Amino acid sequence: DIQLTQSPSLLSASVGDRVIITCRAGQGIRSYLAWYQQKPGKAPKLLIYAATTLDRGVPSRFSGSGSGTVFTLTISSLQPEDFATYYCQQLSSYPFTFGPGTTVDI
Amino acid sequence: EVQLLQSGGGLAQSGGSLRLSCAASGFNFRTYGMSWVRQAPGKGLEWVSGINESGDDTSYADSVKGRFTISRDNSENTLFLQMNSLRGEDTAVYYCAKDHHDYWSKYGVDVWGQGTMVTVSS
Repeated sequence: DIQLTQSPSLLSASVGDRVIITCRAGQGIRSYLAWYQQKPGKAPKLLIYAATTLDRGVPSRFSGSGSGTVFTLTISSLQPEDFATYYCQQLSSYPFTFGPGTTVDI
Repeated sequence: EVQLLQSGGGLAQSGGSLRLSCAASGFNFRTYGMSWVRQAPGKGLEWVSGINESGDDTSYADSVKGRFTISRDNSENTLFLQMNSLRGEDTAVYYCAKDHHDYWSKYGVDVWGQGTMVTVSS
C-alpha cells in the first residue's frame, strides 16, 4: 500500500495568511493526487484533482502543485470559511489511501 | 441535482452483519465508478472499497478484505456495502462517493452521500 504523510498536522493561521500544506507519498504516484476539505460534521469536498486541477466552483485562492512523491496545497489568502481539515488522497494504485489530515485553525 | 442518499447502518454486535445502501440520482450511474470511505469518531478518512462502473472490478482496504463486499445494481442506480464479521474498529461514519470522471477512477470523488453511522458493540 502507498503511504501518505502530511505536514504540518496542525496549522494555526489568521485570515489573509498564505498557507501551504505538504503531502508526501511513499512511492511515486505521478499526478494521481486529490485534495479534499472537510468541516466538522460534514462530508469532505473535492478541491483539487490530478494534483493541480481545481474542481469546478472552488475559489482560485486554492492551488495545487507537485508530482511524483511531493505535493503541496496552497491557500493564497486564508478566508474565514477555509478553517477546516484538509486531506490528500493518492489514486495511483489500490487501495486509494488518504493522508492523515491537516487541521487549519485560528 | 446529483445526489447520493444512504440508508442502512446502525448498531450491530461484534461478529454481526450490516448492509449499507446508496441510492444515486441526477447522473448516469452506470458510467461511474463508486467508493465507500469511512471515518472513525475523531479520526481521519479511510478508503474502504471501490467498484468500477460495470461492477466487475472491485478493490478493498486490507482492514476489510474478506469481510466486506461492495456491489452495485445499475438497473436500480444503487450501490451496496455488505459488512460481515464486524469488529469494534469498524465503528465509523460510512460515506458512499461518486468518481469525479466517468470511466476513470483516478480523479478522486466529487459527490458524497450524507454519511451513515455504524456502531459495533461487543
